Amino acid sequence: EDQVTQSPEALRLQEGESSSLNCSYTVSGLRGLFWYRQDPGKGPEFLFTLYSAGEEKEKERLKATLTKKESFLHITAPKPEDSATYLCAVQAYTGGFKTIFGAGTRLFVKA
Amino acid sequence: DGGITQSPKYLFRKEGQNVTLSCEQNLNHDAMYWYRQDPGQGLRLIYYSQIVNDFQKGDIAEGYSVSREKKESFPLTVTSAQKNPTAFYLCASSIIMVPSGANVLTFGAGSRLTVL
Repeated sequence: EDQVTQSPEALRLQEGESSSLNCSYTVSGLRGLFWYRQDPGKGPEFLFTLYSAGEEKEKERLKATLTKKESFLHITAPKPEDSATYLCAVQAYTGGFKTIFGAGTRLFVKA
Repeated sequence: DGGITQSPKYLFRKEGQNVTLSCEQNLNHDAMYWYRQDPGQGLRLIYYSQIVNDFQKGDIAEGYSVSREKKESFPLTVTSAQKNPTAFYLCASSIIMVPSGANVLTFGAGSRLTVL
């Protein structure tokens, strides 16, 4: 069964305390893995697309990496404004497109 | 600025009522989608459309209906047949999907529906 699992469900960090969020997936015909950021009461905003194992992308304090079974979103020296829910999604094509979202990781960064 | 506009932001429905959520985009995207978001769950696809006057059911289409009469607009009606409609509804769009690619979704700000 195609599945995307994110861990932990919630993560509390002190400002400056680096950590990683995990997204593990099982899907056939992977076309891409996406990371989105979602603030409370708002729609998700696109962060990264990763296409193949070994690929890495960075944006400010965020770095996303991809293996054949999982992706990590590394947050370096987070600030309170990084507090949000981070969603992982995989897009696959097996005769038809399918996008599967994980439940997200809620990140709280305390000053 | 290009984007997706959803309205209303908050909506309250009584039992037995149909309600319609609006979604308009000015990104010139061909594909549009409706997702439902519930606490502790991933986004679930309700309906999607890749071209005007055509749409496909997603994973949880029962109790919902859509139309795509214009490229820019993709309204969602939550009917009285939807047994548990209280949720956060997200409209999204993307360029046309091709098998060789991966398509970024652009989301609206969402509409929160509460059944009284």
